[in-house]
Amino acid sequence: EPEVTQTPSHQVTQMGQEVILRCVPISNHLYFYWYRQILGQKVEFLVSFYNNEISEKSEIFDDQFSVERPDGSNFTLKIRSTKLEDSAMYFCASSPQGGRGQPQHFGDGTRLSIL
Amino acid sequence: GQQVMQIPQYQHVQEGEDFTTYCNSSTTLSNIQWYKQRPGGHPVFLIQLVKSGEVKKQKRLTFQFGEAKKNSSLHITATQTTDVGTYFCAGPLRGAQKLVFGQGTRLTINP
Repeated sequence: EPEVTQTPSHQVTQMGQEVILRCVPISNHLYFYWYRQILGQKVEFLVSFYNNEISEKSEIFDDQFSVERPDGSNFTLKIRSTKLEDSAMYFCASSPQGGRGQPQHFGDGTRLSIL
Repeated sequence: GQQVMQIPQYQHVQEGEDFTTYCNSSTTLSNIQWYKQRPGGHPVFLIQLVKSGEVKKQKRLTFQFGEAKKNSSLHITATQTTDVGTYFCAGPLRGAQKLVFGQGTRLTINP
């Protein structure tokens, strides 16, 4: 069964450094998402992406965050200057069609640890 | 803003006992989705309910969507150790693609 793949599985970064999290969504999917989950808490929406542009973003997704689809397969989340509170599990998800919250397929996540 | 609340936050049962988690939205939902997250894992889609009053079953799991489309429940009959994990409900923000997740119910089971 097709999967969403994320790399790296664990990223340790010094506070203030830039970090890029990578995702390869399922190949025929059109909508892409980033979520984060602070340890033991709920899954929080960050951003959705469709047709090479951001379609929605949350208040968490401030100017320090950006997303990009640099080629036909990768989908990246960049955090420009990391803060301690950015430490969390970051999940990429994709869905074949959007609108009205279609079921989403999640990757295994990247655990981001900010020191 | 739209909120999705889940109770209980934690549930510990003996293997073989039943388990139920409840989900309530502050607004009417076009659909409700349920996800399971194993310890250390990622959310895995279980099911989507769309119609008012809809009931769906997956083996020992029964999912219900309320008549007003603002609440939902997941019931597991005769739990097994493989049911361990956190169960999240999620609903789409009105007119949007993004999902708003509940806080989840963490199920642990005594074998």
